Amino acid sequence: EAEVAQSPRYKITEKSQAVAFWCDPISGHATLYWYRQILGQGPELLVQFQDESVVDDSQLPKDRFSAERLKGVDSTLKIQPAELGDSAMYLCASTWTGAYEQYFGPGTRLTVT
Amino acid sequence: DQQVKQNSPSLSVQEGRISILNCDYTNSMFDYFLWYKKYPAEGPTFLISISSIKDKNEDGRFTVFLNKSAKHLSLHIVPSQPGDSAVYFCAAKALNSGYALNFGKGTSLLVTP
Repeated sequence: EAEVAQSPRYKITEKSQAVAFWCDPISGHATLYWYRQILGQGPELLVQFQDESVVDDSQLPKDRFSAERLKGVDSTLKIQPAELGDSAMYLCASTWTGAYEQYFGPGTRLTVT
Repeated sequence: DQQVKQNSPSLSVQEGRISILNCDYTNSMFDYFLWYKKYPAEGPTFLISISSIKDKNEDGRFTVFLNKSAKHLSLHIVPSQPGDSAVYFCAAKALNSGYALNFGKGTSLLVTP
């Protein structure tokens, strides 16, 4: 069964350092999402891509976060510089264009010290 | 502003009994609702969904009920099994607001033998 791949699974970094997460969606899924999930909360959308274009990044803290999906397939989310409050699970999800059900990857657990 | 609310952080049910997980929402523009299940160290997995034009959807042991007038939905699991122990998230999509999902904080279900 096809799955969304994410790496790394765990990342520990010091504050003020740069960190990057990678996501490879299910083949054929043109829509890709990055969510952040803080412990005890539900996932919150950071950015949505349709192919290589950003559809919604209104909740992305653009002073430190950036996201790209250059060829419309895999995607990278970057934080620079990382802050203590960025400690969370970062989830990637993908789906077919126009579909409502999203398929999530296992996530990257980020700890900022 | 939490638009999707799961007011019970946890629920414990005996194996074989019915589990009922509740979800309330405030945004009248939500037109599609989904339930996700999440095991530790894994991403959320899609479970079942319902359109706002319906009041019930059933898939095996899982049934979702929607009461639009009360802005309330519930997930019924019958019979409950120990493998159902997980965190359950209610999510909603708003009409004319793209396809991003608004998630509740989740309810942790424990099914005891």
